[in-house]
Amino acid sequence: TQLLEQSPQFLSIQEGENLTVYCNSSSVFSSLQWYRQEPGEGPVLLVTVVTGGEVKKLKRLTFQFGDARKDSSLHITAAQPGDTGLYLCAGDFSGTYKYIFGTGTRLKVLA
Amino acid sequence: EAEVAQSPRYKITEKSQAVAFWCDPISGHATLYWYRQILGQGPELLVQFQDESVVDDSQLPKDRFSAERLKGVDSTLKIQPAELGDSAMYLCASSRGIENNEQFFGPGTRLTVL
Repeated sequence: TQLLEQSPQFLSIQEGENLTVYCNSSSVFSSLQWYRQEPGEGPVLLVTVVTGGEVKKLKRLTFQFGDARKDSSLHITAAQPGDTGLYLCAGDFSGTYKYIFGTGTRLKVLA
Repeated sequence: EAEVAQSPRYKITEKSQAVAFWCDPISGHATLYWYRQILGQGPELLVQFQDESVVDDSQLPKDRFSAERLKGVDSTLKIQPAELGDSAMYLCASSRGIENNEQFFGPGTRLTVL
């Protein structure tokens, strides 16, 4: 069974601070996605990474895919209260576009 | 902006009762997914449709859960009978096709079983 471990589980920081959350697996991903989910809503796709070593930027968010395609990180620069939410990674292990979700990192950014 | 619609948003039921959830995907999206998200966890895929056909229902508890997408458009997920452990958020998502990996999620149905 492929498992995605996300860390930390919870993170509470002040506005303006930087943070990094991680997604790890013992198996290789064909591709990996990051989502943000706000309370009472469905997840919203932020990015898909496919190539080992790939780095993608989305405004203040930087996503990195590990060289071995077993891990990924999400770095947020100068966090804002609007970044508050549950950050989920989802990995496709089989190349069939079926994604297994991690348990998420719950981020709270305090003003 | 096109969105995935789900109803109801909230459902409270007693155990052993039947419940049904409805999903209307984004127009033109051939692939539809139902997920279950237990509080504090990530979504777990229950069933995947390509048009009206089931592609994957390996994680669907078939003794009590059923799903259909008769005309390949909207879909219904049913639980009968509901159990206490079924309390969760039920999310529907759609994508243009199986090989398009961008899924759009609906707002979900929060089910509470008493």
